[in-house]
Amino acid sequence: DVVMTQSPLSLPVTLGQPASISCRSSQSLVYSDGNTYLIWLQQRPGQSPRRLIYKVSNRDSGVPDRFSGSGSGTDFTLTISRVEAEDVGVYYCMQATHWPYTFGQGTKLEIK
Amino acid sequence: QVQLVQSGAEVKKPGASVKVSCKASGYTFTSYLVHWVRQAPGQGLEWMGMINPRENTIRYAPRFQGRVTMTRDTPTTTVYMELSSLRSDDTAVYFCARGGSGISNPWGQGTPVTVSS
Repeated sequence: DVVMTQSPLSLPVTLGQPASISCRSSQSLVYSDGNTYLIWLQQRPGQSPRRLIYKVSNRDSGVPDRFSGSGSGTDFTLTISRVEAEDVGVYYCMQATHWPYTFGQGTKLEIK
Repeated sequence: QVQLVQSGAEVKKPGASVKVSCKASGYTFTSYLVHWVRQAPGQGLEWMGMINPRENTIRYAPRFQGRVTMTRDTPTTTVYMELSSLRSDDTAVYFCARGGSGISNPWGQGTPVTVSS
């Protein structure tokens, strides 16, 4: 299975400051169709997960533009340009290139 | 609006089976895969498998192969996930989620399953 490794696992951030989460995969996530199926998900406390970013850098509908995704191959980053209180929760990267799909361990973002 | 609504909480004894439903609405049921993901208490997310409602093709994560069965009922736009030979470490919240470039939105509200003697 493809191992997804996130860092840091805990991320205390001051409101209004930027935040970045790294995700590394044990294999390239480039699929045979040329796409890279790397997804970022947010899970707020007590809620179901929701997808924020797909194919590395595409924001889902309704996701604020302070969220951005970047990277290629095996190294990926989720960046929040200015953290707001509603961003508290756990963030997961996930690969959907190789079966079985796998998730990172999750990064818990909290406000300092 | 597009939504997935899951069945309610379950309590099962070890060795039993559980069947969780996920009713889709607000979109063409056969146009999107449906995935199942679980989350043990205080833990991360684990992908279990997916079903293609149009073709009835299914793919399970190897660690669940032989214990999990995913089915769909097209007239009621409902997908089911049945897990058998339950153990205490199957205690988790089980989510369904619509597919699309991998897993997409929306996700169901989650179904807590508790396995306890």
